[in-house]
Amino acid sequence: DVVMTQSPISLPVTLGQPASISCRSSQSLIYSDGNTYLNWFQQRPGQSPRRLIYKVSTRDSGVPDRFSGSGSGTDFTLQISRVEAEDVGVYYCMQGTHWPLTFGQGTKLEIK
Amino acid sequence: QITLKESGPTLVKPTQTLTLTCAFSEFSLSTSGVGVGWIRQPPGKALEWLALIYWNDDKRYSPSLKSRLTITKDTSKNHVVLTMTNMDPVDTATYYCAHHHVGNAFDIWGQGTMVTVSS
Repeated sequence: DVVMTQSPISLPVTLGQPASISCRSSQSLIYSDGNTYLNWFQQRPGQSPRRLIYKVSTRDSGVPDRFSGSGSGTDFTLQISRVEAEDVGVYYCMQGTHWPLTFGQGTKLEIK
Repeated sequence: QITLKESGPTLVKPTQTLTLTCAFSEFSLSTSGVGVGWIRQPPGKALEWLALIYWNDDKRYSPSLKSRLTITKDTSKNHVVLTMTNMDPVDTATYYCAHHHVGNAFDIWGQGTMVTVSS
């Protein structure tokens, strides 16, 4: 199985400041079609997960542009340019390139 | 807009079989490329993918749970059913279903259903 390792596990951030979450995969996530199927999800307290980004850097509809994704191969990053109160929650990366599909262990973002 | 809703028992006893239903709307599981997946989340823990079924009846399972899982679809009723045999307290979790498309994983999720395994 492809292991997805996120860091940090806990991320205290001051409102208005940037935040960055790393996600590393144990194998390359480049698929045979040339795409890289790396997704980011946000789970606010008490809510279902919501996909923010797919294929490394494509934002889902309605996702604020302060969220951005980058990376390639085995090394990926989710960045929030200016953290807002509504961003509190747990963030997960997930790879969709290899079976079985696997998630990272999550990064809990809180306001400092 | 696409919606999904999970339903099933909230409490099951150890060794029993769990049957969960995902009812969805505004998409069809007979459309090429479309799938529905199941993901679970134990209290306070991370997400874990369980199973996925595609429009062409291709089925994928988590290897660690494959012997216990069965996923089926009823295209006419817009339902997907997941069964998990031999339930154990460690299977206590919120179970989610989610819309999937080839190359476009889990863009829409259901609200989840909490299942507790206890005697």
